[in-house]
Amino acid sequence: SAVISQKPSRDICQRGTSLTIQCQVDSQVTMMFWYRQQPGQSLTLIATANQGSEATYESGFVIDKFPISRPNLTFSTLTVSNMSPEDSSIYLCSVEVTPGRDSTNEQYFGPGTRLTVT
Amino acid sequence: GEDVEQSLFLSVREGDSSVINCTYTDSSSTYLYWYKQEPGAGLQLLTYIFSNMDMKQDQRLTVLLNKKDKHLSLRIADTQTGDSAIYFCADSNSNSGYALNFGKGTSLLVTP
Repeated sequence: SAVISQKPSRDICQRGTSLTIQCQVDSQVTMMFWYRQQPGQSLTLIATANQGSEATYESGFVIDKFPISRPNLTFSTLTVSNMSPEDSSIYLCSVEVTPGRDSTNEQYFGPGTRLTVT
Repeated sequence: GEDVEQSLFLSVREGDSSVINCTYTDSSSTYLYWYKQEPGAGLQLLTYIFSNMDMKQDQRLTVLLNKKDKHLSLRIADTQTGDSAIYFCADSNSNSGYALNFGKGTSLLVTP
């Protein structure tokens, strides 16, 4: 498995400002993902962040709004820029772990960052 | 995108078995997952199944996969009040870089 931490765990921000969320993993992983969970909703993938390359964004998400860094194999950041109340969500990072020799694919999530934009 | 569908709500009595169902449309799904989310908490990976399997058992949890019908189920034996949570079904495949495609979640309520 993998142990994932996120900072901050929650924040209340004013519209127009930006917040950077950090994701730290206790082991080196190739694939990291950022998801958003809007209130009462399921999870939606924002982007895939692989070390050494630019993040790949899903439809509806753009780099100017959600810039991502992936400086090494254990760390990533997601910035929510120029925030509006519609950005109020839980933001979660996840990692893909491929344990053992059977090439199974396990994905673990961080505890999430609960963002409220006023 | 491809869809993952779940019923939204299930209520069972403590000690009974719970069965949460999920259907998916992507025939290239490689892995299918079940996650549990308790109120105010993150997602906990419960179990997953590779698409070439039809059953996986792990203690109280049994996953059944009908690949022909694209139907996945999670059975929880001897359901306890601590099992009350939202259960998310998700699929992934290499086309999406193994990112997860989630259903809307099934809210399980276990009553004494």
